[in-house]
Amino acid sequence: DAKTTQPPSMDCAEGRAANLPCNHSTISGNEYVYWYRQIHSQGPQYIIHGLKNNETNEMASLIITEDRKSSTLILPHATLRDTAVYYCIVRSLNAGKSTFGDGTTLTVKP
Amino acid sequence: NAGVTQTPKFQVLKTGQSMTLQCAQDMNHNSMYWYRQDPGMGLRLIYYSASEGTTDKGEVPNGYNVSRLNKREFSLRLESAAPSQTSVYFCASDLTRDTEAFFGQGTRLTVV
Repeated sequence: DAKTTQPPSMDCAEGRAANLPCNHSTISGNEYVYWYRQIHSQGPQYIIHGLKNNETNEMASLIITEDRKSSTLILPHATLRDTAVYYCIVRSLNAGKSTFGDGTTLTVKP
Repeated sequence: NAGVTQTPKFQVLKTGQSMTLQCAQDMNHNSMYWYRQDPGMGLRLIYYSASEGTTDKGEVPNGYNVSRLNKREFSLRLESAAPSQTSVYFCASDLTRDTEAFFGQGTRLTVV
C-alpha cells in the first residue's frame, strides 16, 4: 500500500470549513483513499473513502485530484467536536498492509 | 449490535508475564487486524487476518503471536511481556478491503 503525507497539525474556526490535505503520490490504480479520525484515545472512526471520483456523505466530502496523487477531506461546518486526529490511508484491494501514519491533529477553535 | 469488542480494557503486567488480548466482532466480517498505538503516534499494524484460517505479519510483529480462532474472534498473545510493549492495542475488522473498517475501543496495556 502507498504511503501518505499529512501536515502534523491544523487549526480551524468553528463554523468554517476545515480542509485537510493528504499527499499520496505513489498511489496505484487499484488503491482506495480512506479517511478516519480518532477523538481522544478512542478507536478510530471511519469518515469516507473513494477511488477516483469525489465523494460526499453526511460527515464530509472527499476531493481526489485527477492524477490521484493527492486528496482533500472537507468538513463543511467544523464544530468543536470535530477536534481530533485525522488519518489519511491508502488501501489496496489486494491483501496487504495499511499504514496509518501520524495523521493531522485538527483543532477547532471557538 | 456490539460491533468490535475487546477485552480487557485495561491491564498491567510485570515484565516476562504472558497474556492474551481478546477481540470479537459480530458483523460477519472477513478480515481482522491488530494495531498498537504508542503515545503521540499513529497506529502501527501488528498482525492481520484476511480470512478465517489465515494470518500475516504487519509492520511490528516481533514479540506477538495471533490466532484467528474462528470468523468472529482474533486474539493477540504476548508470550513474555516487555516494557516496550506498553501501548494501546486496537482491534479492527472489515468485510472487504473496499469497505470501512470498524475499530474496538482499545486495550490499554502497561508493562512494568
